Amino acid sequence: DVKVTQSSRYLVKRTGEKVFLECVQDMDHENMFWYRQDPGLGLRLIYFSYDVKMKEKGDIPEGYSVSREKKERFSLILESASTNQTSMYLCASTTPTPGKETQYFGPGTRLLVL
Amino acid sequence: QKEVEQDPGPLSVPEGAIVSLNCTYSNSAFQYFMWYRQYSRKGPELLMYTYSSGNKEDGRFTAQVDKSSKYISLFIRDSQPSDSATYLCAMSKGSNYQLIWGAGTKLIIKP
Repeated sequence: DVKVTQSSRYLVKRTGEKVFLECVQDMDHENMFWYRQDPGLGLRLIYFSYDVKMKEKGDIPEGYSVSREKKERFSLILESASTNQTSMYLCASTTPTPGKETQYFGPGTRLLVL
Repeated sequence: QKEVEQDPGPLSVPEGAIVSLNCTYSNSAFQYFMWYRQYSRKGPELLMYTYSSGNKEDGRFTAQVDKSSKYISLFIRDSQPSDSATYLCAMSKGSNYQLIWGAGTKLIIKP
């Protein structure tokens, strides 16, 4: 079974803090994604990576950065947390084979920024 | 206008009922269609995957794609309280690995 793990299930941070969210997958997938999920808005793509050290902006990259130093690990960084970044953060991975775009998700991190 | 529209619900039905969940989309280039189920405080998990038009059945679940109408559906027969979850539709053009997501429909099955 594919396993995607996220470093924390719940986090509470203060405005202005730097926040690191880490994601690890064990299926040797090339592609990894970070989403945030808010009620009524569904999943919104923040960043994705299709290879080590490669990254692409998604729909809402502002206020975020990412790092992918190893194939299995994809980190999301909030440079200076703000209250509007309170959300559920989901990491996913997949293989780039056409027709095999199934994304496998981690359990999510609920971040509260005070 | 969003590329994928999905009614957020909640949709509340009695146990045993047939449930119909739907998404509409605007981009005719979409070829791959998926339904994900997300339980409270968990990540989404793939439920059904279909390519192009037609039906696909898996146990109590049937996924239906009508490309001419740009409309996809998920049917759940003999619904159970354990089916209570948020159901998200997602679709892809197949030319890359990005998915376009619906907002999700919250489904409640009452015992």
